Amino acid sequence: DAKTTQPNSMESNEEEPVHLPCNHSTISGTDYIHWYRQLPSQGPEYVIHGLTSNVNNRMASLAIAEDRKSSTLILHRATLRDAAVYYCILSGSGTYKYIFGTGTRLKVLA
Amino acid sequence: GAVVSQHPSWVICKSGTSVKIECRSLDFQATTMFWYRQFPKQSLMLMATSNEGSKATYEQGVEKDKFLINHASLTLSTLTVTSAHPEDSSFYICSAREGLAETYEQYFGPGTRLTVT
Repeated sequence: DAKTTQPNSMESNEEEPVHLPCNHSTISGTDYIHWYRQLPSQGPEYVIHGLTSNVNNRMASLAIAEDRKSSTLILHRATLRDAAVYYCILSGSGTYKYIFGTGTRLKVLA
Repeated sequence: GAVVSQHPSWVICKSGTSVKIECRSLDFQATTMFWYRQFPKQSLMLMATSNEGSKATYEQGVEKDKFLINHASLTLSTLTVTSAHPEDSSFYICSAREGLAETYEQYFGPGTRLTVT
């Protein structure tokens, strides 16, 4: 299973944009990139996913490098409710399994 | 979005007893469900994958006789922790996936906190 590498923690000021990086240098051509976030004592919440092109939804944007070896989750205006652990996960064809890494703990400062 | 529920949200049981946790997809049919375990301050660890009507596939190191998984319908999967011990105390989370194509996401339940005394 392809692995991802994320910084352990990041801080952001409220209402500022946040860029959460993820490295996945061993990604294969058919692997999708998924982002989830988890609040304390809750199950992970879907944020966004993509394959090759950049993606936008109401929660965030996903910027995928041209070589697909890295991606960045962009929260356009961080709020206190965005404080969570963010996981970048790859899933390949045929397995559908998610292997969670350590994730990035995002702290949002008021 | 798709909703997955778990019951109970928390449970306390005595060492040596068994406990069952239910996972339901409320507004979609889940061809595949997954069970995870999460210890404090750690990431989620995949325990097993179950497809409706088939035997579950367990990850390496997970005891299939201890963690019994049943996926009898397209909306319900159960995890039974048999002969529970204090080291089984953890946060158990299920997820469900609607289809087989890669574009389908996993939707996670809220988790069940198990405490074994």
